[in-house]
Amino acid sequence: QQQVKQSPQSLIVQKGGISIINCAYENTAFDYFPWYQQFPGKGPALLIAIRPDVSEKKEGRFTISFNKSAKQFSLHIMDSQPGDSATYFCAPRTGGATNKLIFGTGTLLAVQP
Amino acid sequence: DAGVIQSPRHEVTEMGQEVTLRCKPISGHNSLFWYRQTMMRGLELLIYFNNNVPIDDSGMPEDRFSAKMPNASFSTLKIQPSEPRDSAVYFCASSFGWGSPAYEQYFGPGTRLTVT
Repeated sequence: QQQVKQSPQSLIVQKGGISIINCAYENTAFDYFPWYQQFPGKGPALLIAIRPDVSEKKEGRFTISFNKSAKQFSLHIMDSQPGDSATYFCAPRTGGATNKLIFGTGTLLAVQP
Repeated sequence: DAGVIQSPRHEVTEMGQEVTLRCKPISGHNSLFWYRQTMMRGLELLIYFNNNVPIDDSGMPEDRFSAKMPNASFSTLKIQPSEPRDSAVYFCASSFGWGSPAYEQYFGPGTRLTVT
């Protein structure tokens, strides 16, 4: 199964707060777990990604937490800024000889000043 | 690098007309993807190519849609005949490294298609 469930659908956070977006999946063959960020009128762009042999990865204010047994991974944005306001997608990659990403439904984040 | 280039950026056409969307991937990338984004269905993969060969077209909605990649630097997505329900933003993306750990896909700016 390819299903990917992302939550919440939308999120409002005050400047300086923590934004948390979750992604649950069913396909145990997924082998790469990225988050993409999309600004209005632009294409998605890779924000941060993790491999399944690591439980956490941090890049600046952005952290991925990965729970293989629960088949979940989440994006944490620390010290959220108005410039972080965008739509975020989890997009796990199907395994094997392919580079196919299965995009979640997206989370619209609004960071209020 | 100029990134992934798509043209046109906006297309308005009447139902029944043929529409051709164009994509130039990043030089050196060997995988190319076509996506469609709508509010109702989100971001859907339509088809992807590796080394100019279509690998998976299971996302192509119906026979009205076709895609080609005649060489490593150009791809087209054609809709004939177009219908109002085809209205969406169509993205092209490219990546380097078939089977490589570096799977990042680079997206173009998209083509906003409106079929009236």
